[in-house]
Amino acid sequence: GAGVSQSPSNKVTEKGKDVELRCDPISGHTALYWYRQSLGQGLEFLIYFQGNSAPDKSGLPSDRFSAERTGGSVSTLTIQRTQQEDSAVYLCASSLAGGLGSGNTIYFGEGSWLTVV
Amino acid sequence: EDKVVQSPLSLVVHEGDTVTLNCSYEVTNFRSLLWYKQEKKAPTFLFMLTSSGIEKKSGRLSSILDKKELFSILNITATQTGDSAVYLCAVTGGSNYKLTFGKGTLLTVNP
Repeated sequence: GAGVSQSPSNKVTEKGKDVELRCDPISGHTALYWYRQSLGQGLEFLIYFQGNSAPDKSGLPSDRFSAERTGGSVSTLTIQRTQQEDSAVYLCASSLAGGLGSGNTIYFGEGSWLTVV
Repeated sequence: EDKVVQSPLSLVVHEGDTVTLNCSYEVTNFRSLLWYKQEKKAPTFLFMLTSSGIEKKSGRLSSILDKKELFSILNITATQTGDSAVYLCAVTGGSNYKLTFGKGTLLTVNP
């Protein structure tokens, strides 16, 4: 597609339920990232994919969070047993290659707004 | 741990004013500093700066990096209501794929 596409755009879920957030990166982009933006906070790095592998998942806040990427394209971020503190905007981004530099930057999707009640 | 601090946190101006947004950073093995504009949800890329003292310019927006003093500024001249947004500053360091963001500056431009 023309840009990074994320779904759902908004999700309200009950505490303790599992949620899946989907990201469809820009066609041809090999690198994919997930960030989280909580109210009043800056964007927080979660995980980085190069192709289907995740060389850096150091930002995932707990083992309730997991992500996968298949076919070098679509990625899914899964949050199990959601808690209220998981409420945030989850932003996906992609770039042509993994190393940011001149001529290679990352492009963000519109995000998925998750509210845990 | 890499750190980015932006100031002010919020700013209200009138159309036509000039604004300067600040970003200071502490990062191991600095590679680049990036500015983004966030109007609704998706941050949109403005500038990437890697070299000190070289101004990047796009229309009414410009930015410059000082690697000695570890800061950058984003200038917007002749502001318009459409400039109202959160402006985010981010840096890359040892990991050239990971962005560390500041909390942003909320700019409101009133008619």
